[in-house]
Amino acid sequence: SQQGEEDPQALSIQEGENATMNCSYKTSINNLQWYRQNSGRGLVHLILIRSNEREKHSGRLRVTLDTSKKSSSLLITASRAADTASYFCATGYNTDKLIFGTGTRLQVFP
Amino acid sequence: EPEVTQTPSHQVTQMGQEVILRCVPISNHLYFYWYRQILGQKVEFLVSFYNNEISEKSEIFDDQFSVERPDGSNFTLKIRSTKLEDSAMYFCASSEWGLQGGALYEQYFGPGTRLTVT
Repeated sequence: SQQGEEDPQALSIQEGENATMNCSYKTSINNLQWYRQNSGRGLVHLILIRSNEREKHSGRLRVTLDTSKKSSSLLITASRAADTASYFCATGYNTDKLIFGTGTRLQVFP
Repeated sequence: EPEVTQTPSHQVTQMGQEVILRCVPISNHLYFYWYRQILGQKVEFLVSFYNNEISEKSEIFDDQFSVERPDGSNFTLKIRSTKLEDSAMYFCASSEWGLQGGALYEQYFGPGTRLTVT
C-alpha cells in the first residue's frame, strides 16, 4: 500500500488563483514535510508540520494537518507561473527515513 | 543560504562499473541521507548516516552500495558494480538533527546526480 498519495495528480490554474493539493497517508507520523521539485531538478523543502500541529504558514503557503483523517493539504495563494512544479508530501515516523508520496503536478498559466 | 551540493550532475557509466557519487552536506548538519528517484517514480529512501555509521537502510541498499564520510565535509555513495536498474536520480540530503536527538528535523536535499547505466 502507498504511504503517501497526493491528489489531484495534476492541477492547472491561472496566475493569481489559489492551488490546493492534498496528501493522504496510512500509518502514524511524527511529522509531514512538503517539497517542490521543478522538472528534473532537486527537491526544495517548503514546510514541515509536526503531528501535534494543525496549521502552519510560510509566505504564500499554508499547510494543514488532520491526523484523525491522516491527511494534509498544501495551499498556495495567489499563484505565479514560477510555482509550476511537482509538489510532494513526505512523512516520517520514529525513523529518519522520509516516505514520499506520488506528487501533484501543478501548472500555473500566466 | 547554505545548501547541499552534489557532484557530478550527470554520470554515465557502463554496467558492472563502480561509481562514486559525491555530496557536501550543509556544514552544521549531523545527519546525512541518500535517496533515489527512478524516472517517473517516487523518491525512495536508501540510507541514513549519523555519527560515522549507518543508522538505517532500505532493502534497496544491498551489498553493492556503501556510504562513507571520508573527511569533515564530503559524504559519498558508492555503487560497486552498477546494473541497468540503478539508473536514477540520486539525491543527497542532510538535516541538523534527527531521531536519535529526539526530534525529526527538516531534510534539505541537493540538486541530485543523474546516473545513467548503459
